[in-house]
Amino acid sequence: DTGVSQDPRHKITKRGQNVTFRCDPISEHNRLYWYRQTLGQGPEFLTYFQNEAQLEKSRLLSDRFSAERPKGSFSTLEIQRTEQGDSAMYLCASSLVAKNIQYFGAGTRLSVL
Amino acid sequence: SQQGEEDPQALSIQEGENATMNCSYKTSINNLQWYRQNSGRGLVHLILIRSNEREKHSGRLRVTLDTSKKSSSLLITASRAADTASYFCATDARNAGGTSYGKLTFGQGTILTVHP
Repeated sequence: DTGVSQDPRHKITKRGQNVTFRCDPISEHNRLYWYRQTLGQGPEFLTYFQNEAQLEKSRLLSDRFSAERPKGSFSTLEIQRTEQGDSAMYLCASSLVAKNIQYFGAGTRLSVL
Repeated sequence: SQQGEEDPQALSIQEGENATMNCSYKTSINNLQWYRQNSGRGLVHLILIRSNEREKHSGRLRVTLDTSKKSSSLLITASRAADTASYFCATDARNAGGTSYGKLTFGQGTILTVHP
């Protein structure tokens, strides 16, 4: 499978715990995006990388959120001190710079109890 | 209200009928894209229309773009039960330099149900 993969698919955690999600983009894609989607809504942009550089972060991305893309390959999104409001589907996508058609992974569904 | 709002929020039709969904947006765009999402899963890209294009076709899909009204429509002809999904428009906004910001801004989506 050469698509975008995300791990884990589901994560249940208790409020206050830290969680980390991983995204492996399509190998030749130099851009990687993170979005968050809540029930009944469209995805909301969180942040994106071009190679290893983080080019933009949304105001939605509070200080508790951090994302990395070491070596411009896979990316991790960490949420510290989770809150119930963090419960959502976290989607990763990748694209080539030249064509902004984004290919999405299946997402990680986070439930904060 | 959000960029990229879809209308209607929900659409229920019979197999074989056509489905039309509309999208409005607010800023200047490089392109507008439509994505499909099956229940609880990732999004799949359907079609992209550039800001200098007015209409585009792909199989049973027809997309129109009216930049003067900042609106787009997606028509699915001869619908099938397998078309049941949520459909989202997403805008690739143009920055002051005339290039893409990179991120996509999605609307709330239209839930399409096609009854066999």
